[in-house]
Amino acid sequence: AQSVAQPEDQVKVAEGNPLTVKCTYSVSGNPYLFWYVQYPNRGLQFLLKYITGDNLVKGSYGFEAEFNKSQTSFHLKKPSALVSDSALYFCAVRGSSNTGKLIFGQGTTLQVKP
Amino acid sequence: KAGVTQTPRYLIKTRGQQVTLSCSPISGHRSVSWYQQTPGQGLQFLFEYFSETQRNKGNFPGRFSGRQFSNSRSEMNVSTLELGDSALYLCASSPGGRQRQETQYFGPGTRLLVL
Repeated sequence: AQSVAQPEDQVKVAEGNPLTVKCTYSVSGNPYLFWYVQYPNRGLQFLLKYITGDNLVKGSYGFEAEFNKSQTSFHLKKPSALVSDSALYFCAVRGSSNTGKLIFGQGTTLQVKP
Repeated sequence: KAGVTQTPRYLIKTRGQQVTLSCSPISGHRSVSWYQQTPGQGLQFLFEYFSETQRNKGNFPGRFSGRQFSNSRSEMNVSTLELGDSALYLCASSPGGRQRQETQYFGPGTRLLVL
């Protein structure tokens, strides 16, 4: 069965410092991985996805993610955090077979301090 | 293009009632998926519709149902509401042709409170 784990409930960083939000996955077959961000009282906004190709994926708002097949990880990164990056981040994997279903991790709250 | 829209944004119901939520996908998108978000269970997949047919279903009781119209708009219905149905219900749309690779774009959600 496909699954996603986000081992940290909360990540705190200072503004201007690099940030990492961790995600590990378990899939059968090729992984299709996604990152979304959710601001309070809002829906999910798409950041980036890994389908195939380069292990470093670049996305919106300066975010990038590194796909590591041997470690089954897909960590979200940003070189310099902004206070406005403070939000809830979700990693997701596409369900098996021919389906649109996304399986989400539990989410990681990112707090960027001024 | 306009994004995914959901109506209503907020809803208060009492136990035993039923509720219908609406979702209009991005123009040209034919796949609509529904998710339930709660603090305890996180984001859980409800069902997916494509070309008016349910293509996939999550592990929810039969009180949760949905449908899709010919213009790709979708509705979900919850009958005999329970307190535990209080949640943010999110709708997402995608083109639908190559499901596994496609990005789902989410609406703002409908927040349902069951009293």
